[in-house]
Amino acid sequence: AQRVTQPEKLLSVFKGAPVELKCNYSYSGSPELFWYVQYSRQRLQLLLRHISRESIKGFTADLNKGETSFHLKKPFAQEEDSAMYYCALSFQGAQKLVFGQGTRLTINP
Amino acid sequence: ETGVTQSPTHLIKTRGQQVTLRCSSQSGHNTVSWYQQALGQGPQFIFQYYREEENGRGNFPPRFSGLQFPNYSSELNVNALELDDSALYLCASSPPGSWGNEQFFGPGTRLTVL
Repeated sequence: AQRVTQPEKLLSVFKGAPVELKCNYSYSGSPELFWYVQYSRQRLQLLLRHISRESIKGFTADLNKGETSFHLKKPFAQEEDSAMYYCALSFQGAQKLVFGQGTRLTINP
Repeated sequence: ETGVTQSPTHLIKTRGQQVTLRCSSQSGHNTVSWYQQALGQGPQFIFQYYREEENGRGNFPPRFSGLQFPNYSSELNVNALELDDSALYLCASSPPGSWGNEQFFGPGTRLTVL
């Protein structure tokens, strides 16, 4: 079965410090990986997906098939990055997203 | 462009009752997925509807059922409510050709079962 693991429920860093939110997955085929974000009082929204290889709001994520990881990184955290972050997996032919438990990121001033 | 909307925002039911949650998909989207998000957890896939037919189902019992209408809006019905059904229910819609992977979420309906 497919599974997504986010080992940190809470992560707190200071403004300007680098941020890395960890995501590991289990799936034997070729997955599609996503990061979704939920800001306070807002709906869940797509932050980035690995196939687009974009940098959104300064965040990047690289799919490492050898380590089955898709960690989210930002070199310099900003206070507005404080939010709940979910890693999610899908695959060709699937109708669903499989989500991790989420990491609450807090950026301290 | 109107985003995904859900109604009601929240509701309270008692054990054994039945509930219907509603979702209007984003304009142009023809696929609707439903997720259950328990407190402190990530969303869990319930099922997906495409062209008014169920197009995939997660590990939820048959008392969770759904409908999709010709205008692509959708309903989630839960019968014989249990305390563990208390959760945030999310609806997500997807545009044609995305195979349901590109999902746009609504604000959710918070259900409390007493």
